[in-house]
Amino acid sequence: AQTVTQSQPEMSVQEAETVTLSCTYDTSESDYYLFWYKQPPSRQMILVIRQEAYKQQNATENRFSVNFQKAAKSFSLKISDSQLGDAAMYFCAYRSGAAGNKLTFGGGTRVLVKP
Amino acid sequence: ETGVTQTPRHLVMGMTNKKSLKCEQHLGHNAMYWYKQSAKKPLELMFVYSLEERVENNSVPSRFSPECPNSSHLFLHLHTLQPEDSALYLCASSHQGGRETQYFGPGTRLLVL
Repeated sequence: AQTVTQSQPEMSVQEAETVTLSCTYDTSESDYYLFWYKQPPSRQMILVIRQEAYKQQNATENRFSVNFQKAAKSFSLKISDSQLGDAAMYFCAYRSGAAGNKLTFGGGTRVLVKP
Repeated sequence: ETGVTQTPRHLVMGMTNKKSLKCEQHLGHNAMYWYKQSAKKPLELMFVYSLEERVENNSVPSRFSPECPNSSHLFLHLHTLQPEDSALYLCASSHQGGRETQYFGPGTRLLVL
């Protein structure tokens, strides 16, 4: 079974600075997808960024980028120029390309942004 | 964000009550999901419906009963719940297929007394 591990329960960052969240996963599959979701206090789960395992290029979305290391099974999220609105829980998630529907989530990292 | 809506947003119920959670998606998706988010535990997948057919039941107790009458609506019927069932219940939807992104609703905060 796939597992997703987020080793940092909480991270703090100064406004306008950069923070990196770590995520590792365990799988024997070669075809899969990785996601970062953000859950603000409103509890709505919002997709931040997604990475296909077959793509070597790291995904980017504005101030959010990932460092995808397939051999190491690592998928970290970098938030650049942090803003107060970035404060939230961030969840890393794995989805098999073959088995289809199931998302497996990590335990989450709380990001605090200091003004 | 109104792509996936959930009602009610908050629910308090006794252990002998029967209630239902409703989810509606306006994104043209054909797969829908129920997740449970408890304190100090990762999100857990409960049920998956694809093309209105249940394709996964992740060892969920029978006191939770899902229903998917069409591709836009998903229900979770609750009866004789336990206090440990108190959690945030999240609905999500996607197009069918492993590469498709799931989009989440705002959740229903459930408290079982």
